[in-house]
Amino acid sequence: GAVVSQHPSRVICKSGTSVKIECRSLDFQATTMFWYRQFPKQSLMLMATSNEGSKATYEQGVEKDKFLINHASLTLSTLTVTSAHPEDSSFYICSAIRDPNTEAFFGQGTRLTVV
Amino acid sequence: KNEVEQSPQNLTAQEGEFITINCSYSVGISALHWLQQHPGGGIVSLFMLSSGKKKHGRLIATINIQEKHSSLHITASHPRDSAVYICAVKGGSGGSNYKLTFGKGTLLTVNP
Repeated sequence: GAVVSQHPSRVICKSGTSVKIECRSLDFQATTMFWYRQFPKQSLMLMATSNEGSKATYEQGVEKDKFLINHASLTLSTLTVTSAHPEDSSFYICSAIRDPNTEAFFGQGTRLTVV
Repeated sequence: KNEVEQSPQNLTAQEGEFITINCSYSVGISALHWLQQHPGGGIVSLFMLSSGKKKHGRLIATINIQEKHSSLHITASHPRDSAVYICAVKGGSGGSNYKLTFGKGTLLTVNP
């Protein structure tokens, strides 16, 4: 199957700093990428949908100024958690699709710990 | 009420047993995914199906569109199958036809 690479897999940062997470589709062009957040023992929660070259669409309740998403190319989307706080500690995971009718492929996820 | 319901929530089996995980959904969909999430967190897409049945190795997925129900079967289960299995549907009431709505997952533990 297609490969989506997410980096870093783990990051620990100090409160107040910003953290950038990258999501790359390695062997296909992803027209759309999705960013999810997952709390322990919970389902994935969609944060935003990102289309190449346009502004991301955020889900209700997700602060767009806190979670900056950039989808600069058909193979790369980034999520930046700005001014991180301990409550932002979570597991973040991306997925990518070639087009709306195709299968979604997921990254390995990033475990963010804010201290 | 969640649009996607999975059962059981937890399942413990002995190595070699036949496993069935069920998924029911309440909205019209264009496709259904079965995903596997290991303790490390990464998610692997096992199947995407919109009708009938698909098989890959020891894994079989079926879907009944009329009954809004899908099952994931694992034959000859092995401890390495231990993971969380997640059902996700595409094209529900979320609006966009490519957004996924996720079930809460089934934690499978296969003992040697």
